[in-house]
Amino acid sequence: EPEVTQTPSHQVTQMGQEVILRCVPISNHLYFYWYRQILGQKVEFLVSFYNNEISEKSEIFDDQFSVERPDGSNFTLKIRSTKLEDSAMYFCASSGIDRWGETQYFGPGTRLLVL
Amino acid sequence: KNEVEQSPQNLTAQEGEFITINCSYSVGISALHWLQQHPGGGIVSLFMLSSGKKKHGRLIATINIQEKHSSLHITASHPRDSAVYICAVVGQKVTFGTGTKLQVIP
Repeated sequence: EPEVTQTPSHQVTQMGQEVILRCVPISNHLYFYWYRQILGQKVEFLVSFYNNEISEKSEIFDDQFSVERPDGSNFTLKIRSTKLEDSAMYFCASSGIDRWGETQYFGPGTRLLVL
Repeated sequence: KNEVEQSPQNLTAQEGEFITINCSYSVGISALHWLQQHPGGGIVSLFMLSSGKKKHGRLIATINIQEKHSSLHITASHPRDSAVYICAVVGQKVTFGTGTKLQVIP
């Protein structure tokens, strides 16, 4: 069964450093998403991406964040200058139409810890 | 007031029981997702609904757009159904509920 993959699974970084979280969506999917979940809190939407551009973003997704699809397979989330409060699990997802209708497939997540 | 409210917050059931988890929302939406988050943190999308009802195996999801309410039902519950079930609505923005933690006891 096709799956969304994310790398790395864990990342520890110093405050102020740049991090890039990588995702490989399912190959025939056209819509891509990033979400985050701070430990013990609910999942939050960050951004959606379609046709090589951002289609929606939340108020969390400020100028420190950017997304890119640098080639035909990867979808990346960059945090330019990390803050302590960026520590969270970051989930990538992609969506397509399957036998149950439109379905989002989530990656396993990257746990980011900012020290 | 939260835009998405789920009930109950916690639910313990005996194996085999019929389970209902509710989601109410206060904004106009184009779609509603039901997601399952496993104890390890992984998320699985169960359903995306914009109207009516969908069924997948032992899971049934319904939505009433006029009443701004959706339910997720699990028939013949099993310990492997133990997880957090999350409702998320797609309106002007995507808003998640805080989840319902389900534990099914053998």
